Amino acid sequence: GQQVMQIPQYQHVQEGEDFTTYCNSSTTLSNIQWYKQRPGGHPVFLIQLVKSGEVKKQKRLTFQFGEAKKNSSLHITATQTTDVGTYFCAGQGGGSYIPTFGRGTSLIVHP
Amino acid sequence: NAGVTQTPKFQVLKTGQSMTLQCAQDMNHEYMSWYRQDPGMGLRLIHYSVGAGITDQGEVPNGYNVSRSTTEDFPLRLLSAAPSQTSVYFCASSRLRWNTEAFFGQGTRLTVV
Repeated sequence: GQQVMQIPQYQHVQEGEDFTTYCNSSTTLSNIQWYKQRPGGHPVFLIQLVKSGEVKKQKRLTFQFGEAKKNSSLHITATQTTDVGTYFCAGQGGGSYIPTFGRGTSLIVHP
Repeated sequence: NAGVTQTPKFQVLKTGQSMTLQCAQDMNHEYMSWYRQDPGMGLRLIHYSVGAGITDQGEVPNGYNVSRSTTEDFPLRLLSAAPSQTSVYFCASSRLRWNTEAFFGQGTRLTVV
């Protein structure tokens, strides 16, 4: 079945440094979604990418969808302590509506 | 609009006890799923359902049962709780169509002693 791998598992950064998490699928995706889970909270939808090569920005967050629609990245510029949490990617594809979630990347920001 | 509601929020069980985690959604979503989240393991899919009367196993189904008698409800049953089932459990739902986001419940923190 479809697998979505996400790296790294953890990332420690100093406040102000940049952060990137990567998502790779074993199959071509129809779309990729990103979610954020604050400590003690539940995953909340951030954004969805649908088109090959698509790039979307939300303030300091930049989301990219690969040309082959098999990989994606989330980049945070100049991290802040409010960015702390776990970021998940999820993709639909392989002929199935069922979303497959990556294991997530936990971002720890040191002030 | 309540979204996805999970109960209870916290639960402590003794080894061998059984219990049911409740999940209800009011968005008429066809797809519902249960995940467990453990430190260092991320979200792991336990069971899922694509509609009333239809369920299937995910990555880590052992020790859990589910049923889907209505579109709204998708309870998760622990048959005989074990310490290895100590975890945070999330229920999620979404429409069964392309390009649709998932909605998560607030989670149930379960401790088995």
